[in-house]
Amino acid sequence: DAGVIQSPRHEVTEMGQEVTLRCKPISGHNSLFWYRQTMMRGLELLIYFNNNVPIDDSGMPEDRFSAKMPNASFSTLKIQPSEPRDSAVYFCASSLGGLRQPQHFGDGTRLSIL
Amino acid sequence: DAKTTQPNSMESNEEEPVHLPCNHSTISGTDYIHWYRQLPSQGPEYVIHGLTSNVNNRMASLAIAEDRKSSTLILHRATLRDAAVYYCTLTPGTYKYIFGTGTRLKVLA
Repeated sequence: DAGVIQSPRHEVTEMGQEVTLRCKPISGHNSLFWYRQTMMRGLELLIYFNNNVPIDDSGMPEDRFSAKMPNASFSTLKIQPSEPRDSAVYFCASSLGGLRQPQHFGDGTRLSIL
Repeated sequence: DAKTTQPNSMESNEEEPVHLPCNHSTISGTDYIHWYRQLPSQGPEYVIHGLTSNVNNRMASLAIAEDRKSSTLILHRATLRDAAVYYCTLTPGTYKYIFGTGTRLKVLA
């Protein structure tokens, strides 16, 4: 079975450029999550969608970050303009929702902003 | 939000059992306890979860203290492939995990 698919796996770009990260959740899952992982702050939840609707974006660091989920099979996380402090590994996860359902993570996008 | 405390690192010999502890003294009555692990260059992987009773699955066992203020993930026979960072998390709400720093498990051949 296909898991959560993220692209690209690696992204290197210069400060000020727009960055778009993509995620395809597991078919049938109705919840989608974007996380960021750094050595300093660990794994942080950025935003949570349920049935394609953003439910909690309190973890989005600032207005430079935006996320969309136009349909049940696709989501994007955009950073514009990017800054060096945005360098991190970004994970997308999906689940069937609810306390008892595990989240399934993709392999992440390693983002480096020069 | 309730937090978890885990040792930074542990070592185990291959094919021996491993007990990974987690303290969550401020857990609330509705918080589930979830365990995930993260192998190098991969996303976290679900291991097991529970509420009050001990749980077993093909990967591991979860032992939950009677007062729920601590739990232990048990790997019955550690293999080299079990070397990873293990996260104990709580779910203070319907979906939101609070990941701590985890325990880095090293398995010795």
